[in-house]
Amino acid sequence: GAGVSQSPSNKVTEKGKDVELRCDPISGHTALYWYRQSLGQGLEFLIYFQGNSAPDKSGLPSDRFSAERTGGSVSTLTIQRTQQEDSAVYLCASSLAHLSTNEKLFFGSGTQLSVL
Amino acid sequence: AQRVTQPEKLLSVFKGAPVELKCNYSYSGSPELFWYVQYSRQRLQLLLRHISRESIKGFTADLNKGETSFHLKKPFAQEEDSAMYYCALSGTYKYIFGTGTRLKVLA
Repeated sequence: GAGVSQSPSNKVTEKGKDVELRCDPISGHTALYWYRQSLGQGLEFLIYFQGNSAPDKSGLPSDRFSAERTGGSVSTLTIQRTQQEDSAVYLCASSLAHLSTNEKLFFGSGTQLSVL
Repeated sequence: AQRVTQPEKLLSVFKGAPVELKCNYSYSGSPELFWYVQYSRQRLQLLLRHISRESIKGFTADLNKGETSFHLKKPFAQEEDSAMYYCALSGTYKYIFGTGTRLKVLA
């Protein structure tokens, strides 16, 4: 594809509802990352995938957050029982290889999540 | 602990003035450092990486292991440089980003 695609671009939900955020990485990119971007907080690492496996889930803020990746391609970030503090921009990025010296991250345009 | 610190949330300079965006890091081992930039209404994108020792859009950054710094510099700021700049470190399993510095170049 042309780049990393994220959907929806905007999501407004009510407190307590579940949401699913989708990321479609660049074709052939084996590494996929989820970050959360909040005002004044920078980019907070959530989780990364190498293929379909997630070796490091330590960044997920709570057990309400989960993520999966299927077919080494599309990834879904699920937030259950959303809280107002979950409001942020959720960014997905992919790269050809994980942490390779000459690789760079390609970012999606993000999903702006607003929890009312 | 692996950490990236950007002490300035906002940096305002006049057009034509020199710019230095500060970045300090904490990492045991040989770090890989990067600068990413996000222009208004655009995606976050790589600006430069220390290993390439390149100059992009007039910006340079030198890795100083003694001071554990990777400051981003440009001798003459342009209005189009106004953006959010993030310093990043390639750590174990993940890229670690700083909190970002918003650069405003005033006419």
